[in-house]
Amino acid sequence: AQTVTQSQPEMSVQEAETVTLSCTYDTSESNYYLFWYKQPPSRQMILVIRQEAYKQQNATENRFSVNFQKAAKSFSLKISDSQLGDTAMYFCAFMKHQNSGGYQKVTFGTGTKLQVIP
Amino acid sequence: EAGVTQFPSHSVIEKGQTVTLRCDPISGHDNLYWYRRVMGKEIKFLLHFVKESKQDESGMPNNRFLAERTGGTYSTLKVQPAELEDSGVYFCASSQERVNTEAFFGQGTRLTVV
Repeated sequence: AQTVTQSQPEMSVQEAETVTLSCTYDTSESNYYLFWYKQPPSRQMILVIRQEAYKQQNATENRFSVNFQKAAKSFSLKISDSQLGDTAMYFCAFMKHQNSGGYQKVTFGTGTKLQVIP
Repeated sequence: EAGVTQFPSHSVIEKGQTVTLRCDPISGHDNLYWYRRVMGKEIKFLLHFVKESKQDESGMPNNRFLAERTGGTYSTLKVQPAELEDSGVYFCASSQERVNTEAFFGQGTRLTVV
């Protein structure tokens, strides 16, 4: 079974500053996917960034980037130039790779509540 | 394109009552998932539909929970009778039938049992 741990229940950052959210995971799988999801208050949860474990290069999406350390089973999210709209719950998640079928169930962490301060 | 929509957004019911949550997936998505987040804890998988069939219901807590997906379109999750520990946020997600594709989530239904 997989586990995902987010050790920071709440964080805050000044607007325009950079913040890093931590995530560690445990698995015996060799190939898998890692995600960061964002849920703004009362809004849909959306995918922020996705990392495929077999890729060594860290994924980036505009102001969002990850530091993926496979050996350490660490997957942190860095948000640069923080904006007020980044205020949200952030969930780290794990999904096993599969060779057929569609999306399968995902293992989530407990979430980090990020507040961007004007 | 409309996203995954869930109704209601909030529900407060008394212990012992029945509540039905609804999820409308993205049109054309065969896969539909229910998850639940109890306050302060991780989001946990409940079950997975492929079209109208239950593919995996290993996460359903007990037989007070009943999920259906009529005609492979929208899905309902009924809790009967509700208990205090059922309080939490219930998320629905849908995805296409494609290998390792992403799922799209709704905004969740916050259920409070008092």
